[in-house]
Amino acid sequence: DARVTQTPRHKVTEMGQEVTMRCQPILGHNTVFWYRQTMMQGLELLAYFRNRAPLDDSGMPKDRFSAEMPDATLATLKIQPSEPRDSAVYFCASGLHRNTEAFFGQGTRLTVV
Amino acid sequence: SQQGEEDPQALSIQEGENATMNCSYKTSINNLQWYRQNSGRGLVHLILIRSNEREKHSGRLRVTLDTSKKSSSLLITASRAADTASYFCATIRDGGSQGNLIFGKGTKLSVKP
Repeated sequence: DARVTQTPRHKVTEMGQEVTMRCQPILGHNTVFWYRQTMMQGLELLAYFRNRAPLDDSGMPKDRFSAEMPDATLATLKIQPSEPRDSAVYFCASGLHRNTEAFFGQGTRLTVV
Repeated sequence: SQQGEEDPQALSIQEGENATMNCSYKTSINNLQWYRQNSGRGLVHLILIRSNEREKHSGRLRVTLDTSKKSSSLLITASRAADTASYFCATIRDGGSQGNLIFGKGTKLSVKP
C-alpha cells in the first residue's frame, strides 16, 4: 500500500528552536511538494522538487526555512529559528511525474509556543 | 499565492441532494484537479481534467472545465453524509517546465443525514 509518510505527526516546540520535518515520498515518484495549511491562508506551496532538484521555493521564507532532498527517499523541511506564526499543518506530497496528481501525507501539525 | 478560488466557501445540503462547487483560476493551465480533505487528514485526489477536456466523470463526481471563462465546477450527485469534507481545486500552469500545483482555499461541504 504505497503512501507518503511524514514524521513527526505532531510537534510542539518553543520559539527559537529548530524544527525538522521529514517526508518519505512514494517510491518511484520524482516530484515532491511541501505545503503549509492554515485557516487564514489556506494551502500555500512552500517548495517543489523534481528529481531531487528544487524547482520552486519562492513561497518559502528564506531567512528561516530550508528544504532539501538528501536522497530520493527523503525530503526535509527545516525551520530555524521557529516562531509562533509558523504554527500550522505542514503537508508533503509526491507525484509520479510533472503534471500528474499529487499524493499527500497525513501532515505534521506544528505548534510553536 | 492562490491560483484557484472556490465558490461557495461553505455549502450545507441534505443527504440525497446534489452539491455543486465552483472554481475560478487566473492563468492558462495544463490541467485542473479536485481534491478532498476530511477534517484533520491529508488531501486525497479525486479527479484530473486536462485543458483540452470539457467534462469528466468518476462515479458520482462530474467535473466540467471552461477554459474561456477560466472556471471549473465539481458536481457530487446523490450526496451522502460521508461526503462531508472540504473540497479544493488545484491547477498546474501551462507552459514552462515547472509543474507547480497551486490550490484554492476550498469549499467546506456539510451533508446532513
